[in-house]
Amino acid sequence: GAGVSQSPSNKVTEKGKDVELRCDPISGHTALYWYRQSLGQGLEFLIYFQGNSAPDKSGLPSDRFSAERTGGSVSTLTIQRTQQEDSAVYLCASSPGTSGRWVQYFGPGTRLTVT
Amino acid sequence: AQKVTQAQTEISVVEKEDVTLDCVYETRDTTYYLFWYKQPPSGELVFLIRRNSFDEQNEISGRYSWNFQKSTSSFNFTITASQVVDSAVYFCALIPEYYGGSQGNLIFGKGTKLSVKP
Repeated sequence: GAGVSQSPSNKVTEKGKDVELRCDPISGHTALYWYRQSLGQGLEFLIYFQGNSAPDKSGLPSDRFSAERTGGSVSTLTIQRTQQEDSAVYLCASSPGTSGRWVQYFGPGTRLTVT
Repeated sequence: AQKVTQAQTEISVVEKEDVTLDCVYETRDTTYYLFWYKQPPSGELVFLIRRNSFDEQNEISGRYSWNFQKSTSSFNFTITASQVVDSAVYFCALIPEYYGGSQGNLIFGKGTKLSVKP
């Protein structure tokens, strides 16, 4: 079956603009995770969804970041008023449940460059 | 604290050498899961293995083997007879599981970049 897909694969935006990043999880996976990978910070967790619910948003770096998930499937990560420090690769992963019993499968990522 | 440490930032070996990637973890939970992921130059994270905290059996999969030792909080990864295709960044990760469940996010180490030269 299809894996996790993300779009766009690359995004270049000007500082101050808003961007939307999309993730399509593996069909049937109820858990969805967003991570960010940058040179300075490594791989850091941003937010997770169980179904359409995001119980804990404390991993989001600032209030410019938001995420939603609809229909228990597609998720969108939105960054408002982008800053240069937002430049990173944004990774999405999905799994059948929210536990270490389940393996998370990752998408190819979206490389965001803020100029 | 919940933390994963990969002390080796970069390792370079010549093809056919054996190489071990170190991983040390910290967690206050008695139930937890450990993972290794591979990130080749293409960028996509590929799952390699998962262990739970109650299973200390070592595992071998082809040229790959993993040594889990709770006494030293380590989960090391060995590649035997390395090949150029093994060149990648390898990440060790932890998911702690506390009573009542877990949000299940991976806590990653900083990764070890392995270069295998022909």
